[in-house]
Amino acid sequence: AQTVTQSQPEMSVQEAETVTLSCTYDTSENNYYLFWYKQPPSRQMILVIRQEAYKQQNATENRFSVNFQKAAKSFSLKISDSQLGDTAMYFCAFMENAGGTSYGKLTFGQGTILTVHP
Amino acid sequence: GAGVSQTPSNKVTEKGKYVELRCDPISGHTALYWYRQSLGQGPEFLIYFQGTGAADDSGLPNDRFFAVRPEGSVSTLKIQRTERGDSAVYLCASSVNRVSPLHFGNGTRLTVT
Repeated sequence: AQTVTQSQPEMSVQEAETVTLSCTYDTSENNYYLFWYKQPPSRQMILVIRQEAYKQQNATENRFSVNFQKAAKSFSLKISDSQLGDTAMYFCAFMENAGGTSYGKLTFGQGTILTVHP
Repeated sequence: GAGVSQTPSNKVTEKGKYVELRCDPISGHTALYWYRQSLGQGPEFLIYFQGTGAADDSGLPNDRFFAVRPEGSVSTLKIQRTERGDSAVYLCASSVNRVSPLHFGNGTRLTVT
């Protein structure tokens, strides 16, 4: 079974600055996907960024980028130029990539509450 | 178009009662998932539907929990003889196919008193 660990229960950052959220995972699989989701008070889980394990290049989406270290099983999220709207709970998640039998069964970490201060 | 819709938004029930939680996925999405999120935790997988059939129900905690998707669209999560430990936010998600990104609804917060 896979496990996902987020060791930072809470983080805070000043508006316009950069913050990094940590995530480690444990798996015996070689092919998989990793995700960061954002959950604002509305409770809806919003996909921030996705990384495929076979791709060595780190994924980026505008102000969001990841540092994927496969050997270390580490998957951190960097948010640049933080905005007040980034305040939310952030979850790291793992999904197996079993080729033709894959589906969206995600294993989530415990979450990190991020607060952006003006 | 409209996103994933879950009703009710909040549900309070007494211990021992039966509840139904409804999920309307995005039109055309064949895959549908239920997750449960306890307070201060990440969501945990409950069940996955591909079309009308439950392809993976390994996350259902016990036989008090049951889910259906009779026409391959709307799904209902049913909980019998509710217990206080069932209190959580129940999230539904859908996707175009098995490996497409999941689109989540806003969840139903269930409180069992």
